[in-house]
Amino acid sequence: GAVVSQHPSWVICKSGTSVKIECRSLDFQATTMFWYRQFPKQSLMLMATSNEGSKATYEQGVEKDKFLINHASLTLSTLTVTSAHPEDSSFYICSARDLRVATEAFFGQGTRLTVV
Amino acid sequence: GENVEQHPSTLSVQEGDSAVIKCTYSDSASNYFPWYKQELGKRPQLIIDIRSNVGEKKDQRIAVTLNKTAKHFSLHITETQPEDSAVYFCAASIVGQNFVFGPGTRLSVLP
Repeated sequence: GAVVSQHPSWVICKSGTSVKIECRSLDFQATTMFWYRQFPKQSLMLMATSNEGSKATYEQGVEKDKFLINHASLTLSTLTVTSAHPEDSSFYICSARDLRVATEAFFGQGTRLTVV
Repeated sequence: GENVEQHPSTLSVQEGDSAVIKCTYSDSASNYFPWYKQELGKRPQLIIDIRSNVGEKKDQRIAVTLNKTAKHFSLHITETQPEDSAVYFCAASIVGQNFVFGPGTRLSVLP
């Protein structure tokens, strides 16, 4: 299947700082990328949907000013957690799809964020 | 919007037995139903999917059945092996749109 690379896989940051997570589709063009948050032993909760060249659509309850999403190209989307707090500690996963040709979503390997 | 429920939340089976996980969805417009397997600390991986124009699909030891009228679909794993132990997520979507995931089922295959 197609490859989606997410970086970094693990990051620790201090409260108040910002962290950027990258999601790249390596061998296909992702018209749409989804960002999920996953708490321990829980399901994937959609945070936002980003279409290449457009502003992201955020799910209810997700602060757009805190979780900045950029999808400037068909192969790269970034999620920036701004002014991180300990409660932002979580596992963040992106998934990428080319809605023009396929239905399957390919997931990045995830980023475990710990805010201290 | 779409709501997906999944049962059971945990499932333990003996190696070699079958495992069945069931999901229901609420939006009758949903027409694509993938199943993902997630091992601890790893990314979800697609294991099988089914579209609404098909009632059943099989891939070796894994099968999925869909009942559109009742709005439920099930994952069947036969001859389970220890490496099948993982969390399984069902999802429902309209083709081309976002997935809504179920809460997940933690499957343990006991040797």
